[in-house]
Amino acid sequence: EAAVTQSPRNKVTVTGGNVTLSCRQTNSHNYMYWYRQDTGHGLRLIHYSYGAGNLQIGDVPDGYKATRTTQEDFFLLLELASPSQTSLYFCASSDARQTNSDYTFGSGTRLLVI
Amino acid sequence: QEKVQQSPESLIVPEGAMSSLNCTFSNSASQSIWWYQQHPGKGPEALISIFSNGNKKEGRLTVYLNRASLHVSLHIRDSQPSDSAVYLCAVPNSAGNKLTFGIGTRVLVRP
Repeated sequence: EAAVTQSPRNKVTVTGGNVTLSCRQTNSHNYMYWYRQDTGHGLRLIHYSYGAGNLQIGDVPDGYKATRTTQEDFFLLLELASPSQTSLYFCASSDARQTNSDYTFGSGTRLLVI
Repeated sequence: QEKVQQSPESLIVPEGAMSSLNCTFSNSASQSIWWYQQHPGKGPEALISIFSNGNKKEGRLTVYLNRASLHVSLHIRDSQPSDSAVYLCAVPNSAGNKLTFGIGTRVLVRP
């Protein structure tokens, strides 16, 4: 079954720390996305990519970098983590070559920055 | 950037009743509009989408779309306790490669 797998499931880091969130999809989808989900704000798009080596800026990119190393793998990097980045992070994939393609989401990574 | 607003924020319905959720969006030229369901501790899952004005039925779900009024609604007939979840309205950009989500409506179905 097509899937999106995120790791780690939970992460605690200190302010100023370095964090990498990983995402792998087995859907053969071209697009991958990183969202954060916060109470009162819903899901907000951080970065997305339409293929290996490509990166597009989302709606809330400040403080985040991302890298798409292969068709399957998309990483989110927080190089100087701040408490404001405490959130629930979701990765998703979609096949934008198909009209009306839905997104497949991972189970999320809960990040706490103390 | 699309703006997506959902109402109500939360909804409590008895088992067997109809759950009705609303969503307004800012861009009438959008492509298919989606509804997602999210259970606690899980990622959102796609439920149903609609492109054309009018209604679309799938099982217990009915979606109504009116692009002129920038409004879409989701109705869940014969609501079950397993339907208790957060429901997210999602609207794509004109290129169809980005989804903007509403904050969601939390539905609780009481047995």
